[in-house]
Parts: sequence; structure tokens; C-alpha cells
Amino acid sequence: QSVLTQPPSLSAAPGQKVAISCSGFNSNVVNNYVSWYQQLPGTAPKVLIYDNGNRLSGTPARFSASKSATSATLVITALQTGDEADYFCAAWDRGLSAVVFGGGTKVTVL
Amino acid sequence: QVQLVQSGSEVKRPGASMRVSCQTSGYPFFNYGVAWVRQAPGQGLEWLGWITPYNGDTQYSRKFQDRVNITADTSTNTAYLDLTSLRSDDTAIYFCARSRFYSYWFDPWGQGTLVIVSS
Repeated sequence: QSVLTQPPSLSAAPGQKVAISCSGFNSNVVNNYVSWYQQLPGTAPKVLIYDNGNRLSGTPARFSASKSATSATLVITALQTGDEADYFCAAWDRGLSAVVFGGGTKVTVL
Repeated sequence: QVQLVQSGSEVKRPGASMRVSCQTSGYPFFNYGVAWVRQAPGQGLEWLGWITPYNGDTQYSRKFQDRVNITADTSTNTAYLDLTSLRSDDTAIYFCARSRFYSYWFDPWGQGTLVIVSS
């Protein structure tokens, strides 16, 4: 059971938008920076977004992220078939003194 | 370019110990940390701990604290993950990843090492 909660799966047609939520608690998402990872099938995760909304150099502008009072959201616009992957959120949890991850969201491009 | 290259897959018996290595290159080893994260088959990501190579400081997940040891060899820019008393639910892909001081995100990651624990 993951500490951070993500929807298990989402799907959309090419060119459309998906929004992946990541909810947690005061000890993690609410009060600490959130990062987002993309894991293509059979490969290692790759960071897309760090510190809530900063794109790593090389991350397409189609990927954006934000954080509200209680959750974080990764938005992928102009969806492409190459975006089919698992997406994970992560944050430091001060209660557990550990980096915690969401369970992952599988994005399917219809 | 920055690279983290891990050792190869292993099969271990329950109760045994494992060691995975992570050879880094392309950046100053002392200026970053190395984290270890695992992923059980078809499951999510789980952080085990990390090390600060310049002073050897480590921090471990409480879940693994009594079984895990992370070390770094500054002469070869290599980090190591040791896990003891292996169980079948330790079967996973183990990843190393570069981390920045006082930050909790990882980039880049090693290719992963599959460890199977089976009798």
C-alpha cells in the first residue's frame, strides 16, 4: 500500500489531455516538494518534474505540474503515443523520514 | 554524460544476503548523493535509503533499517547496496539513482538490477 494515492489508470486519445492526481498528507505532499517520474515499459524511471512544478531540462513543455493545498497534479497535454507509461509522484515524508512514492498511474493513449 | 551502471541480475536463496553495485561516471562523486529504490514485479517504487559519499553519512527507510547497508567507495566512484536475511518478497528490481543534497528527487537512474529470491 503506497503512502501517496494516485489513480491506477487513465486513458485519453492522441492530442487530448490527462491530469494525474497525487494526494497525501501534511507530513508529505502538503508541506514538502513533490516530484514526478515517467517509467516507460521495461526501463528505469526518469524524472520529469521536481520541486512541485520545475521541468527538468529536456522535459517537454507538454508536461506541467502544480500543487494545491492537499494534492499535486501532473498534466500532460497534446498526448502522444510515446507518452504511454507509468507515472509516479514522490515526496519526502517527515513523519516516516523517508522518500515516499505514489502507487503509479498507467497512462494509455487510445 | 552522467551514467550509473549497475551490476547484473542475481538469484538468491531465502536467508541469504545480496550486494548490488552502482558504478557512477560523468560527474563529481563527492558532490551528490546516491539513493537506492526498488520495484517489486508489477508494483510501485519503494525507497530503501541513501548515502552521501563525501562523508559516508547514510539514511535508511525504517522498514529496512535492520537489514540494509549502503556504502560508497570514493576511489572507484561506486556505491553499494547490501541487503541481508532475504525473503521471497525482496524479489524486485533494485535501482540506484543520483540525488542532490537537501533535495528529494533523483536523476538519473541506473538501469536496474533484478534480484530473485527463491528456494
